[in-house]
Amino acid sequence: ELKVEQNPLFLSMQEGKNYTIYCNYSTTSDRLYWYRQDPGKSLESLFVLLSNGAVKQEGRLMASLDTKARLSTLHITAAVHDLSATYFCAVDANSGYALNFGKGTSLLVTP
Amino acid sequence: DVKVTQSSRYLVKRTGEKVFLECVQDMDHENMFWYRQDPGLGLRLIYFSYDVKMKEKGDIPEGYSVSREKKERFSLILESASTNQTSMYLCASSYLGQGWNQPQHFGDGTRLSIL
Repeated sequence: ELKVEQNPLFLSMQEGKNYTIYCNYSTTSDRLYWYRQDPGKSLESLFVLLSNGAVKQEGRLMASLDTKARLSTLHITAAVHDLSATYFCAVDANSGYALNFGKGTSLLVTP
Repeated sequence: DVKVTQSSRYLVKRTGEKVFLECVQDMDHENMFWYRQDPGLGLRLIYFSYDVKMKEKGDIPEGYSVSREKKERFSLILESASTNQTSMYLCASSYLGQGWNQPQHFGDGTRLSIL
C-alpha cells in the first residue's frame, strides 16, 4: 500500500521568511502532484512533477522531486499572507488512475 | 477551463436515508473520482471510474456505491446514511492514458451532514 507522509502538518511562519514542506512516499512512483486548498474551497492544482530531478516554480513556490529518495519538497520563499492555505501532495501509485494524498500541511503566514 | 460541478454545496440528511451526490464534468475526461475529506485524515478515495459503467473500489468503499451511466456524470450513493458519513465529499476528473501528466481537477465539494 502506498503511503504518503507530509511534514509538518501545521506551520506558522512570519511574512518574509523561507520554509520547506516535505512529502515522503513509500513505493516507487515518478508522478507527484501538489495542490492548494483555501478554507471552504476545493483543491487547486499547483504543480505536476513527472520525473526524477523535476523542478517547477510559480511565484514564491518551488517544488522538486527526487524519485530515488521518494521525496518531494515545496519551498516557500519570502512568504506573504496570501500563501496561507492547506497544501497537499499526492502520488500516483503507477496505476494511471487514483492518487494517494498526504494529510496536508496547514500553513499560516502572519505579519 | 475544466469545470467539475457538484450538485450541492451543503446537504443535510437523516440517518437511514438514501443519499445521492451528483458530479458533472465538461472536459470529456475518462476518469472520475469520489473522495471524502475529514480533518486530520486528508483525502481518502471512495470509488473511481475510468469509463462508462466501469467502477473500481478505492480505500473506503464500505457504505457507498457509485453509478456512471454517462461519461460526464458520476454519482455517489449512500445506501443507508449513517452519522459517520458526515463529511466533505469531493469529486474529481482527469484524462486517461497520455493524460497521466495532467492533474485531477476537483469540484467545489459537498458538505454532507447526517443527523
